[in-house]
Amino acid sequence: GAVVSQHPSRVICKSGTSVKIECRSLDFQATTMFWYRQFPKQSLMLMATSNEGSKATYEQGVEKDKFLINHASLTLSTLTVTSAHPEDSSFYICSASIGTEAFFGQGTRLTVV
Amino acid sequence: AQKVTQAQTEISVVEKEDVTLDCVYETRDTTYYLFWYKQPPSGELVFLIRRNSFDEQNEISGRYSWNFQKSTSSFNFTITASQVVDSAVYFCALIFSGTYKYIFGTGTRLKVLA
Repeated sequence: GAVVSQHPSRVICKSGTSVKIECRSLDFQATTMFWYRQFPKQSLMLMATSNEGSKATYEQGVEKDKFLINHASLTLSTLTVTSAHPEDSSFYICSASIGTEAFFGQGTRLTVV
Repeated sequence: AQKVTQAQTEISVVEKEDVTLDCVYETRDTTYYLFWYKQPPSGELVFLIRRNSFDEQNEISGRYSWNFQKSTSSFNFTITASQVVDSAVYFCALIFSGTYKYIFGTGTRLKVLA
């Protein structure tokens, strides 16, 4: 099946710094990718839809200046958490779809200290 | 409104017991897709099944079976003869025609005790 690779799998950063998370579709092209956030013991919440070559579409309540999304190619989308704070600590997962089937990355566990 | 409800927050069973995880969904669309995913402690999402709204046939795959009933807007998942390795969080999800955004339920944490 199709593979989506997410990197890094785990990152610890200091409060106030920025962190970049990469999401790559390895064997298919993805014009659209999605970013989700999952707090401990909670569900996955869609943060934004990443569109290749255009601006991302953010869900209500998600700060676009804080969570910068860039989808510069058909196989790569990046999420940058800017000026991270402890409350941004979470599990972030990306996905890319072929038709109605989504393929998820392995997730990135972000801890801000 | 589009919504997925998994009323069971956590279930504990003893190995070899059967267990059913409930999923109820809401959508006004006639074309939609339902999914089940398994999330082990490592965090990655493991795809289990996809069902479209026009296919109400139940499905069995090994110890797993799914019961899709449009009349009650339910898509329940049964694990037969549960094993410790089945311990994970299970998510039911919905997408509807025209979008590929997943709407996830809140998940059910399954603990299978040896």
